[in-house]
Amino acid sequence: EVQILESGGGLVQPGGSLRLSCATSGFTFSMYDMSWVRQAPGKGLEWVSRISGSGGSSYYADSVKGRFTISRDNSKNTLYLQMNSLRAEDTAVYYCARIQGYFDPLWGQGTTVTVSS
Amino acid sequence: IQMTQSPSSLSASVGDGVTITCRASQTISSFLIWYQHKPGKAPKPLIYAASSLQSGVPSRFSGSGSGTDFTLTISGLQPEDFATYYCQQSYSTPFTFGQGTRLEIK
Repeated sequence: EVQILESGGGLVQPGGSLRLSCATSGFTFSMYDMSWVRQAPGKGLEWVSRISGSGGSSYYADSVKGRFTISRDNSKNTLYLQMNSLRAEDTAVYYCARIQGYFDPLWGQGTTVTVSS
Repeated sequence: IQMTQSPSSLSASVGDGVTITCRASQTISSFLIWYQHKPGKAPKPLIYAASSLQSGVPSRFSGSGSGTDFTLTISGLQPEDFATYYCQQSYSTPFTFGQGTRLEIK
């Protein structure tokens, strides 16, 4: 059975850091690009970042460039998102998703990040 | 790449058929995904590669289009179909989403 499970969300103060994890199973993780997508309260969906299957290439939305870092450990079938210099506008539900070309997409259930003092 | 959905909201009755459109600001071939999103739940992929039905999704959902213009059609609305629908291009990063179409019960 295919599974994607995010963890690591929580409450953090502005300027703080948080690391999200996304554990996967049921598919050959290293074959697929992976992305993070978020939804802020009352807003639409926003793509955040993407990493290639090998981990050699990564891409970011302008809103998080220079503050967030995506990475992966293919030996653990796990995706990460290191979030630094967090702002109130980063408050959102963060989803881990397999989104690549013509392959069927897969999403996790999300983890909530709240940036507030 | 900008993704523009229309309409932004839609009212319909159970049993009706509805169509939602999505237009890309440049060609994206068939790299288009449709999602259904309900409050408190993860977005659910319905259609990928513009017209391929995601496993487990009822056949009343269908997608079409290529290049810049795409449609999602729901035939015979069921009570559980009232939700917000998004399109997303997976042609090039940033993988932009449409602004969403809220489907409400009339």
